[in-house]
Amino acid sequence: GQQVMQIPQYQHVQEGEDFTTYCNSSTTLSNIQWYKQRPGGHPVFLIQLVKSGEVKKQKRLTFQFGEAKKNSSLHITATQTTDVGTYFCAGRDDKIIFGKGTRLHILP
Amino acid sequence: DTGVSQDPRHKITKRGQNVTFRCDPISEHNRLYWYRQTLGQGPEFLTYFQNEAQLEKSRLLSDRFSAERPKGSFSTLEIQRTEQGDSAMYLCASSLGGGPGGAQHFGDGTRLSIL
Repeated sequence: GQQVMQIPQYQHVQEGEDFTTYCNSSTTLSNIQWYKQRPGGHPVFLIQLVKSGEVKKQKRLTFQFGEAKKNSSLHITATQTTDVGTYFCAGRDDKIIFGKGTRLHILP
Repeated sequence: DTGVSQDPRHKITKRGQNVTFRCDPISEHNRLYWYRQTLGQGPEFLTYFQNEAQLEKSRLLSDRFSAERPKGSFSTLEIQRTEQGDSAMYLCASSLGGGPGGAQHFGDGTRLSIL
């Protein structure tokens, strides 16, 4: 069945360092979404990617969708303490599958 | 935009009891989703409505689970004969659908604890 794998599971970075999380699907996706969940909170929508090879930027965040539409990445430049949380990708094939998330810790 | 509202926020019940949760989506959103999330995991898809029609249902959803969205507005999720493994956060999300996808707006969830 369809699987969405996300790595790494945890990431500790010094404030100001960059951070990247990767998402890989076992099947070709029609689109992929990224969400952020703060501790104790609910997932909050960040972005949706639809086109093969698509790249979108939101301030310090860069999102990419692979050419084969089976993988995606989220890159944060110069992390800040407000970036703390768990980042989930959600891939849509014939159903929606969330990855297990990457939990980002920022060391001051 | 008052956001997605879920009730109750917490539910503690004994094993074997039935529970029902309610979700009020963002008013103009035609799509409504239910997910289950346990600690350290991503949201697990349970079911999805477009207006009042239940279009998708996870195979993981046993026959103890049922969801309704009778008038295409609010939705309820019922769990019958609850088991220990049902303890989780139950999340509702809504979106304004057209083509594939669409930003999902999540509620704060209902945390279910089975004693």
